[in-house]
Formats: sequence, structure tokens, C-alpha cells
Amino acid sequence: NAGVTQTPKFRVLKTGQSMTLLCAQDMNHEYMYWYRQDPGMGLRLIHYSVGEGTTAKGEVPDGYNVSRLKKQNFLLGLESAAPSQTSVYFCASSWGAPGQPQHFGDGTRLSIL
Amino acid sequence: KNEVEQSPQNLTAQEGEFITINCSYSVGISALHWLQQHPGGGIVSLFMLSSGKKKHGRLIATINIQEKHSSLHITASHPRDSAVYICAAHEWGAQKLVFGQGTRLTINP
Repeated sequence: NAGVTQTPKFRVLKTGQSMTLLCAQDMNHEYMYWYRQDPGMGLRLIHYSVGEGTTAKGEVPDGYNVSRLKKQNFLLGLESAAPSQTSVYFCASSWGAPGQPQHFGDGTRLSIL
Repeated sequence: KNEVEQSPQNLTAQEGEFITINCSYSVGISALHWLQQHPGGGIVSLFMLSSGKKKHGRLIATINIQEKHSSLHITASHPRDSAVYICAAHEWGAQKLVFGQGTRLTINP
């Protein structure tokens, strides 16, 4: 039982490049989330999904897009990477609303040069 | 001002000491979460509280809804408890958690 798996774990991009971060969960959770974690700041929600085929904006959605075509997968895309998007990205899932415990992936460390 | 404030930001103690980390929040909540992030970066959920107190091993979490305050206690601290501890509040009706900035705990042998 893998829980929440994020790929890749590390990536270095040049400004303007695009990439997709993949999050996969095997717990049949309805809710999935993408966060970014920056030094001195708490985790901030980028986008979230309340079920297959749904997505919604969080508090810092600009520059990111997401898709949830399958219940178990939640993809985060950067169309044109910027240095301000250098961060550690975490995916999480929960069986119910955010009041329920969230299960986190191990994170993706992304550097934009 | 953050909706969720933690104190202290950094805490260093000796093995065996009793540890207290505090979390104050300004919104009405349905649940308060305590999370642990180890140096490797992984985040695990420790507790979810809506009232009273919960205990798991040497960890105890309490919440006072009227005072909008929660505490995480560690008894008989050990170097393996060294981590960042994060509290997060779920506001009634909201679709997200609001996270504190975290408390970095270091336990020296």
C-alpha cells in the first residue's frame, strides 16, 4: 500500500519551460490537494479537487493548472515556469472534506533557474 | 497577521525534557490538525482535534475552543522527535486548511 506517491522527487527547469507533476493515491480518496511550501511560510494551497473530473483554485493558483481525469491521479502543470515557482510541492489526499486527516506525498523539490 | 500562529518558531531541548508547542487561531473551526515533518521532508498527520484532548504514545494534543488555542505536548522527549511540527485549522465550511508556519524542534542527546 503506497499511499500518496509523487513523481518526480527533484527537478531543475529553466525559466519558460513546462512540466507536469504527478500525484497518485491508492486509498480511493475523493479529495486531493496540491500545496507549495516555501521557507518561512506555511503550506499554501495551489489547487484542489473534490472528486474525479473536478478541480478548484486554492489561495495561490496563478501560473499553475491541474487535472483530475482519474480518481487516483491529480496532475499539477506549470505551463511556463518562473523562478518564483521554485519551491517544494506536496500532494495530499483525504477521504472527506479538509476537516479529515490528509495523507501527504514525500514532496517534489523544484528549482527554476 | 496569519489566521494560525504557532509558538515558538524554534525550540531546542535536551533529551528527556517535556515539550510544549502552542497554536492559536482566529477563525471558527471544525477541526485542528497537528502534523509532523521530518528532516527528510515527509509530512504525517499526528492528530485531528475538535475538542478536548488526544494522546498517542508520548504525544498529547489539547484544544480549548473558547480560547481558540491548541497545544502539542511531548513527554520524555527523544532525539528522534526532532522535526518541524505544524498546526492547521479547518474553518467551518471552508474547502481548505490554514497552516501555521511550523515549529522546528531539536532534541539534543
